[in-house]
Amino acid sequence: DTAVSQTPKYLVTQMGNDKSIKCEQNLGHDTMYWYKQDSKKFLKIMFSYNNKELIINETVPNRFSPKSPDKAHLNLHINSLELGDSAVYFCASSQDRRGRAPYEQYFGPGTRLTVT
Amino acid sequence: KQEVTQIPAALSVPEGENLVLNCSFTDSAIYNLQWFRQDPGKGLTSLLLIQSSQREQTSGRLNASLDKSSGRSTLYIAASQPGDSATYLCAVRPLTSGSRLTFGEGTQLTVNP
Repeated sequence: DTAVSQTPKYLVTQMGNDKSIKCEQNLGHDTMYWYKQDSKKFLKIMFSYNNKELIINETVPNRFSPKSPDKAHLNLHINSLELGDSAVYFCASSQDRRGRAPYEQYFGPGTRLTVT
Repeated sequence: KQEVTQIPAALSVPEGENLVLNCSFTDSAIYNLQWFRQDPGKGLTSLLLIQSSQREQTSGRLNASLDKSSGRSTLYIAASQPGDSATYLCAVRPLTSGSRLTFGEGTQLTVNP
């Protein structure tokens, strides 16, 4: 059973296009995240949602818009794609309610985005 | 601002060796520290999570320690195997920054048969 899944796994597109990446978790977690891993393999938080509410929004261009239709899904929409957006995007989830499991984050397999 | 550093950046060892990966962080106000493994082209697999109140965690051949006051964690791998070859990442969850994890840049481990 896949815990955190992302689609698509690979995405190749041209500059200026708009694209979306989808993420789903079946762990019953209440918090979901998007991370970006650049060409140097450095991972950095982009967004975090808790119970469909945005709680972390790092300094990310407003071309990136996350959407959480429910607790189990967190999608990432990117407008007007640029060359510098090429990276691997990881979705993750955790349970952050007090008294529960120790906030361990589980990651999806990643979406490799290439902008040409 | 929390910064996480991992040393060495790359490590190559012969099979069977015991080895230690190092992680240091600048702000000791953390909730927990998590070690991950990333295989080429793959996602992250959580290996061990240490709460701030704990000193170490063990899983099989892996042992992670945490010294919060000095801002250090180590991942000890016993009797290394070629299948252990991967990039190992440590990440801390600060107390004051919500749920985000701050990652180190990773140690790329190669275990030679």
